[in-house]
Parts: sequence; C-alpha cells; structure tokens
Amino acid sequence: EPEVTQTPSHQVTQMGQEVILRCVPISNHLYFYWYRQILGQKVEFLVSFYNNEISEKSEIFDDQFSVERPDGSNFTLKIRSTKLEDSAMYFCASSGTGGRDTQYFGPGTRLTVL
Amino acid sequence: GENVEQHPSTLSVQEGDSAVIKCTYSDSASNYFPWYKQELGKGPQLIIDIRSNVGEKKDQRIAVTLNKTAKHFSLHITETQPEDSAVYFCAAPQQGKLIFGTGTRLQVFP
Repeated sequence: EPEVTQTPSHQVTQMGQEVILRCVPISNHLYFYWYRQILGQKVEFLVSFYNNEISEKSEIFDDQFSVERPDGSNFTLKIRSTKLEDSAMYFCASSGTGGRDTQYFGPGTRLTVL
Repeated sequence: GENVEQHPSTLSVQEGDSAVIKCTYSDSASNYFPWYKQELGKGPQLIIDIRSNVGEKKDQRIAVTLNKTAKHFSLHITETQPEDSAVYFCAAPQQGKLIFGTGTRLQVFP
C-alpha cells in the first residue's frame, strides 16, 4: 500500500540553525501539506501546496518557513533560523486521488531545537 | 472558521467493551469528517471517514455516525482490544486543510 515517507525521523539542531525536513508524498497525489504537533497537543496545520505554489498557510507559517517541491517526488519544509518553540513533530501529508480532503500522513520528523 | 471540539480527553475501557468518542464542529458547510488513530511516536493514521450524504459508515469493529443537524459526529469501536489503545483525533476540513480535535487517549485494559 502506498504511503507517505519522511526523513529524517529525528533532527536535533541548535537555535538559529537552518533545517530541512523531507517528505515523499504518495505517488499521483496532487495536494501536499505540512502539519506540526507540539508534544501532547493536537495536530496543527502549517501550509498546503498545490500546482507548485502555496495554496494556504497558517499564522504559524511565517517568513522563517518555506516549502518546495524540487522534483517530481520530494516535498520539503525549510526553517531558516530555528527557535526553541519550533521543537515539535512535523508531519507531511498528501491527498488527491481519493479527494482533496482525504489526507494521508507520514510518520513524522521529531525536531528538537537546543 | 471551523472549530472542532472533542470529548472525552481520556477514555479507559475493559477489553471487549465498546468505546465512543464524540466531536462537534461549527461550520455547517463541512461535508467530510475523518477519524485518525495515532500510536506513540507515529503519524496519524486514517481509520475511517464519512461524507455528509450518509448518516453512518461501518468498517468491521469501527463505525462513524454523523448528525448534521446537531453538527456532531462520533466514533464507535466495538469489542475493543488492547491494540486499540492509542490517541484518536477527529477532524473537519476548512478550505482544504484539516482542523483537528484535541484528541482522546483510549486505554483498553486486558
């Protein structure tokens, strides 16, 4: 069964450093998302991406964040200058063949900012 | 915008009993309601979903019911097993993104 994959599973970085989180969405899906989950809290939307551009972003997704689909398979989230409060689980999701709303999530990347 | 509330926050049941988790939503235009199961250290896994043109959907031991008038939908798990222990999230769409509930930690005791 096709699934969303994410790398790395755990990323530790120093405050102020740049990080890139990588995702491979399900093949043939057209919509891509990033969500985050602070420990013990609910999953929060960050950004959606369709047709090579951002379709919507939340208040959390400020100028320090960017997304990119550099090729036909990868979807990346970059945080330019990490803050302590960026520590969270970051989930990539994709949808498309079953309808835009039916989103499938990857296993996540745990980002720890020291 | 959409607001999703979920209850209870924790639920403990004996193996074999049923579990019910309820969510309410605010946007009457919402027409799709998924449920996700999240095991420790893993991503949310879609377990069942329902569209607003039906009132109930069942998949083996899992069912979801929808009451559009009252704007609530519920997850029903029958004959619970220890492997059902996880955090369950409901969600509703808002312009393509999913708005999640606060989650229910279900513990099934053998």
